[in-house]
Amino acid sequence: NAGVTQTPKFRILKIGQSMTLQCTQDMNHNYMYWYRQDPGMGLKLIYYSVGAGITDKGEVPNGYNVSRSTTEDFPLRLELAAPSQTSVYFCASSKKDSNQPQHFGDGTRLSIL
Amino acid sequence: QKEVEQNSGPLSVPEGAIASLNCTYSDRGSQSFFWYRQYSGKSPELIMFIYSNGDKEDGRFTAQLNKASQYVSLLIRDSQPSDSATYLCAVNSPGYALNFGKGTSLLVTP
Repeated sequence: NAGVTQTPKFRILKIGQSMTLQCTQDMNHNYMYWYRQDPGMGLKLIYYSVGAGITDKGEVPNGYNVSRSTTEDFPLRLELAAPSQTSVYFCASSKKDSNQPQHFGDGTRLSIL
Repeated sequence: QKEVEQNSGPLSVPEGAIASLNCTYSDRGSQSFFWYRQYSGKSPELIMFIYSNGDKEDGRFTAQLNKASQYVSLLIRDSQPSDSATYLCAVNSPGYALNFGKGTSLLVTP
């Protein structure tokens, strides 16, 4: 009963490096989401996907890319990491649209130095 | 930009009391309302959700909607120190997005 699994849990990057945050879910949910959470700022939607092969931008997509080749996986790619991308990143999934509850992974804490 | 507003707190209540958490939303078209609990350093955990057709009670938790005034409330009866956390209100927008408030910090004192 894993739910939404994110890896890694922690990572430190240098400015300009790239990395991929992994997210996989085993609930057969069609919809998946990436959020970032900064202290005191709430959750901001980066990208979301309504099914394999379909992705769309959220509120704060700049500096990030996503892909959705399977129902289970929704990786988030950071190109040319910047200090402003220091944050906690959460992946979530839901059965269908925003009328359904979203279930969150444990998060990835990312620091860019 | 659809707004969801919450008082950041901290809201302090004594153990055994009722904690009342509120959030207001701006989109009159919203139909689904969610409450998440987030402990420090952890991910949001779904507590309850309601739709625009009614309130819901689940154990010590009650979620209520006032559509006319556009606010949602979460009542926690018999509050326990383990309820101390940040509570996030989320409201749907047409399509696929949830709009989250910044959260209210709740402190239950023994």
